[in-house]
Amino acid sequence: DQQVKQNSPSLSVQEGRISILNCDYTNSMFDYFLWYKKYPAEGPTFLISISSIKDKNEDGRFTVFLNKSAKHLSLHIVPSQPGDSAVYFCAAVSTGTASKLTFGTGTRLQVTL
Amino acid sequence: DTEVTQTPKHLVMGMTNKKSLKCEQHMGHRAMYWYKQKAKKPPELMFVYSYEKLSINESVPSRFSPECPNSSLLNLHLHALQPEDSALYLCASSRDSLNEKLFFGSGTQLSVL
Repeated sequence: DQQVKQNSPSLSVQEGRISILNCDYTNSMFDYFLWYKKYPAEGPTFLISISSIKDKNEDGRFTVFLNKSAKHLSLHIVPSQPGDSAVYFCAAVSTGTASKLTFGTGTRLQVTL
Repeated sequence: DTEVTQTPKHLVMGMTNKKSLKCEQHMGHRAMYWYKQKAKKPPELMFVYSYEKLSINESVPSRFSPECPNSSLLNLHLHALQPEDSALYLCASSRDSLNEKLFFGSGTQLSVL
């Protein structure tokens, strides 16, 4: 049972345009969400996070939006750059317990010139 | 220093071999993790150590044996593995086990023949 889903396995976006990566979750106990970025042959790198008490968090070119009623979050990258090409994992956790992150299946983003 | 260092980067072993994966961090983090990732799948939690004590074992077979000799080191001892255990093994650390922001190593790509 996949509690965190990323339904788009891949996404191609032109440099300078907006990239939107989506993530859905089913467990209503999740209250903290993270995005990780992974390059080949490297471990995942933390990108941005959001608590369920917020609906938006912004850090430079990266913005995460959370829609709790829809159990949906999205990562916006504006403007997209070739160096953003990587696999992006959404992760969710129920805070107050040991950090058992549940990861989504990942979306491979390709930013083209 | 925000690095989690894993050795070796690659490992090929037979089903009768005994080998160990090593992980080291010097960020003063008190929680350390082992994750397993198969191709095109999300990372899956195996073990969590909190203050050098095993706090979570996600029903991992006993052929995987974790060890935390001190707060900076985490080992994963492997014995009598099966070919289906071939995967990328990721180590991670966080400030403590209630902190969701994990720092990952680059992983050990394990092949079991």
